[in-house]
Amino acid sequence: AQSVAQPEDQVNVAEGNPLTVKCTYSVSGNPYLFWYVQYPNRGLQFLLKYITGDNLVKGSYGFEAEFNKSQTSFHLKKPSALVSDSALYFCAVRDIGGTDKLIFGTGTRLQVFP
Amino acid sequence: GAVVSQHPSWVICKSGTSVKIECRSLDFQATTMFWYRQFPKKSLMLMATSNEGSKATYEQGVEKDKFLINHASLTLSTLTVTSAHPEDSSFYICSARVSGRVYEQFFGPGTRLTVL
Repeated sequence: AQSVAQPEDQVNVAEGNPLTVKCTYSVSGNPYLFWYVQYPNRGLQFLLKYITGDNLVKGSYGFEAEFNKSQTSFHLKKPSALVSDSALYFCAVRDIGGTDKLIFGTGTRLQVFP
Repeated sequence: GAVVSQHPSWVICKSGTSVKIECRSLDFQATTMFWYRQFPKKSLMLMATSNEGSKATYEQGVEKDKFLINHASLTLSTLTVTSAHPEDSSFYICSARVSGRVYEQFFGPGTRLTVL
């Protein structure tokens, strides 16, 4: 079965420092991977996706993610964190059943301190 | 573009009553919409997939008769929680897939349901 794992419940980083939010996946075949961000009491906002092509994917708000097939990882990164980046981040993988269902990780809360 | 709205944004109801939540795609046609439920500090759980003009496909363990989904048009899907109980209290989020853009879903802002 398709799945993604986010091993960290929370990540704390100082403003201006680089941040990484980890995600590993388990899929059969080629994975379609996504990152979404959720602000309090709001729906999810799309950040970026990997379908095929370059392993480094650039997305919204200065975020990027690196697809690593050998490590089955798709970590989210940003060179310089902002306090406004504090939110809940979800990694997701598209289900292979052909229904476009997304399977979400458990989420990682990012806290950026001034 | 690709804006999804939900109404209401929050609702409080008495146990035993029914509540309807609307999900609208404002500037595009959505042949497929998804309904998720999110518990506090938990991930999103897909409840059902809704296709315009056909019956919804429910995930295993989701009660079809309790969570009625109707996708009557290309811009509107509704979720009705029937005979709501306190354990149905949750954050309900819908998403819509844009026709022709297979790999992206656009999410609504969510509806907070509290059942007293």
